Amino acid sequence: GAVVSQHPSWVICKSGTSVKIECRSLDFQATTMFWYRQFPKQSLMLMATSNEGSKATYEQGVEKDKFLINHASLTLSTLTVTSAHPEDSSFYICSARISLYETQYFGPGTRLLVL
Amino acid sequence: GESVGLHLPTLSVQEGDNSIINCAYSNSASDYFIWYKQESGKGPQFIIDIRSNMDKRQGQRVTVLLNKTVKHLSLQIAATQPGDSAVYFCAEMAENAGNMLTFGGGTRLMVKP
Repeated sequence: GAVVSQHPSWVICKSGTSVKIECRSLDFQATTMFWYRQFPKQSLMLMATSNEGSKATYEQGVEKDKFLINHASLTLSTLTVTSAHPEDSSFYICSARISLYETQYFGPGTRLLVL
Repeated sequence: GESVGLHLPTLSVQEGDNSIINCAYSNSASDYFIWYKQESGKGPQFIIDIRSNMDKRQGQRVTVLLNKTVKHLSLQIAATQPGDSAVYFCAEMAENAGNMLTFGGGTRLMVKP
């Protein structure tokens, strides 16, 4: 099956620093990648959708200047949490799909802890 | 707004028994459904999907049933094993929702040895 990787798996940072998370589709080209956030014991919340070569579409309530998304190629999307604060601590998960009606395949997630 | 919800937040079954996880959806225009399994600290793992032109689809030890009349989706796991313990999410997709996946709240499956 399709494999999606994320890096890093874990990150601990001080408040005020920026953190970049990478999402890669390893064996397929993803026209669309998605970024989700998940708090403990909750479902996944879609943050934004990115299409290769175009600006990301953010869900309501998600600050685009705080969560910078770049989808530079068909196999790589990055999420940068700028000036992270403790309330940004969460589990960030990306997913990718080949085309519009294809299944979304998820990465293993990145756990961010902001001290 | 439209949403996908689950009847049972926690399901406890005996190892070897069959498990049934249910999901109700409210967007009648949804035409693609997926079940994901999420283990602690990991990303969701695709289990099985079904399109609205079908009412049943089988995989390895799993079966998904779709009842469009009552907008109900279920995941059946045969001979449940300890490794099946996880949170299971159903997700739906509809063109009138921008072809985005909408996730349900999740059901935790606990398998007792």
